[in-house]
Formats: sequence, C-alpha cells, structure tokens
Amino acid sequence: DVQLVESGGALVQPGGSLRLSCAASGFTLSSHSMNWVRQAPGKGLEWISFISSSGSTTSYAGSVKGRFTISRDNAKNSLDLQMNSLRAEDTAMYYCARVGVISWYFDLWGRGTLITVSS
Amino acid sequence: DIVMTQSPDSLAVSLGERATINCKSSQSVLYSSNNKNFLAWYQQKPGLPPKLLIYWASTRESGVPDRFSGSGSGTDFTLTISSLQAEDVAVYYCQQYYSTSPYTFGQGTKLEIK
Repeated sequence: DVQLVESGGALVQPGGSLRLSCAASGFTLSSHSMNWVRQAPGKGLEWISFISSSGSTTSYAGSVKGRFTISRDNAKNSLDLQMNSLRAEDTAMYYCARVGVISWYFDLWGRGTLITVSS
Repeated sequence: DIVMTQSPDSLAVSLGERATINCKSSQSVLYSSNNKNFLAWYQQKPGLPPKLLIYWASTRESGVPDRFSGSGSGTDFTLTISSLQAEDVAVYYCQQYYSTSPYTFGQGTKLEIK
C-alpha cells in the first residue's frame, strides 16, 4: 500500500524538544517533495514546512521558523521534523504530506501524530 | 502571503441536493505560462487526515466521485457537490499552491446534512 505513517507524538513541557518522523511505504520518497502540516484541536490546516525531493531546499512558516528543522533520509524513505522551544500553541495533530508529481498540491497525507505542549 | 477565504463557514444541505462552497484568494492563482489555476480542494472527515479531491481548480483526483466538481479562475473558485450523499459530511478546505512559501489554506467549510 502507498502510505505515510507519522510517529513521535507525545506530551511535552513548554520549552521542550521533540522529533517527529514520517515513514513512507509503497513509493519512492526521493521522487517527491514533502511537507509538514499541522492542525490545532478543532481548528483548520496550517502548513509549517517544506523540503524538496533532494533535501537541498527547505522553507518554514513564520510561526515555526528558527525553532523547527525539516530533514529527510531518502535512503531510509523517511522524513523528520525536529521541534525545539515548543510552546502551548504548537499543540496540534502533525501530518506529513506528499507533493504530487504533476504539481505542488498534496496528493497523499499520513494519519498524523499528536503533539501536546503542556506543563 | 496569499490569503484564502472560504464561504460559508458551515452549510447544511438535504440529501440529494446540491452543495456549493466558495473560495476566494487575495491574489490571482492563475499561472500565465500554462493557463492553470494553482488551486486544490481537500475533504477531511472526522478523525481522518485531509484527502485530495480536486487540483488545477477543476481536475478530479483519481477515484473521486463525479458528483464533486470544481470551477472558477483567477481569484474566485467553487466546489460543488451535485447530489449530497451521507458520506460527504466533512470539512472542506481550499488551498493555493501558486506560492509554496507559504502554502495557504482556507479556514474550512463544515458540511452537514439538513
């Protein structure tokens, strides 16, 4: 099956760090740019980070820039998000999402992993 | 940033009736070099991740029922469900991918059965 599976979600204290992972199966991750998108409880979708297929280009939303780092290991078919200096407002479901081969929309999403930032 | 605004925020439609959701972008998402609108629609059912329905504003993703259609160009777009089924209850989001830093989504439209 073609799928993305996120892991690493947890309850973490404000100021703490966490590393999320996204494992791809059923397709070659290196052929696709990837993104992380989050959704706070009961809220809408917020794009937070992009990485190109080779990993040479990254970008971040202003809300996470300087605190989060996206990376990928194409040999392991995996994507990571290192999250530092976590805040209560980072509490959300975090999804990894694949960029389509035709253009820049997201054609495949994982089921998400939940981060709760609270003391 | 390109701001995406959907209307209405919520919508209740009877089974078998038409549902229409609007999406407006703060600037054109029509790319002149290929004459394509960089606009996608996603469906999110409770407890599930978003699912791609439509890209290029009007192209259905493989496997999406033909009761779903997208239209519009430039800054104004519409998602139409021609005959609402019970399984269409969900939140629908538009997204522009004209600018990928940042990508932006509409706030979502909650669709319910009347």
